[in-house]
Amino acid sequence: DAMVIQNPRYQVTQFGKPVTLSCSQTLNHNVMYWYQQKSSQAPKLLFHYYDKDFNNEADTPDNFQSRRPNTSFCFLDIRSPGLGDAAMYLCATSPGGGNEQYFGPGTRLTVT
Amino acid sequence: GQSLEQPSEVTAVEGAIVQINCTYQTSGFYGLSWYQQHDGGAPTFLSYNALDGLEETGRFSSFLSRSDSYGYLLLQELQMKDSASYFCAVPDQTGANNLFFGTGTRLTVIP
Repeated sequence: DAMVIQNPRYQVTQFGKPVTLSCSQTLNHNVMYWYQQKSSQAPKLLFHYYDKDFNNEADTPDNFQSRRPNTSFCFLDIRSPGLGDAAMYLCATSPGGGNEQYFGPGTRLTVT
Repeated sequence: GQSLEQPSEVTAVEGAIVQINCTYQTSGFYGLSWYQQHDGGAPTFLSYNALDGLEETGRFSSFLSRSDSYGYLLLQELQMKDSASYFCAVPDQTGANNLFFGTGTRLTVIP
């Protein structure tokens, strides 16, 4: 089945220790997104790629970076995680428009 | 700015009908989407309304009134598995590729 895959599902990192989250898709969608979602809150967009064009949300901290080496893969790098970065990180894809997005299962990040 | 208002919590009885409302404020409206998210799970697309009226998909229906900047999600024949959070969403003002999510409504279905 075509899908969006995120690894790992759970990630524990230490305060200030860089961490990378990965996402892959078999849907062949042009657009890929990274969201941060904290408990009982709405998903908050961090970045999106339309093909290789990178788009950074204005309020995304510099501590967050992203890479999309090819159509199928996208990475979220957190350079120096703080306690406030503990959250669920969701990857999503869309064929071209934003209304219907397909989400991966998410990576729950814990910062100790 | 952009805003989407939803009730924070709704409780309904199994087998009943429940309506989750969403009022929005945005420039350049391009449609209203609804997503379901179970605890610990990922959001799942439910429906999209670009035009006024009711869209039906099985037990779920979604309604839009652009003149009132208002929409709702209607869930019929509620089942316990419908207990989840429901988010309305509109394209972000910065780009139609992005979604701006509402605050979410937590639906609890009780026996």
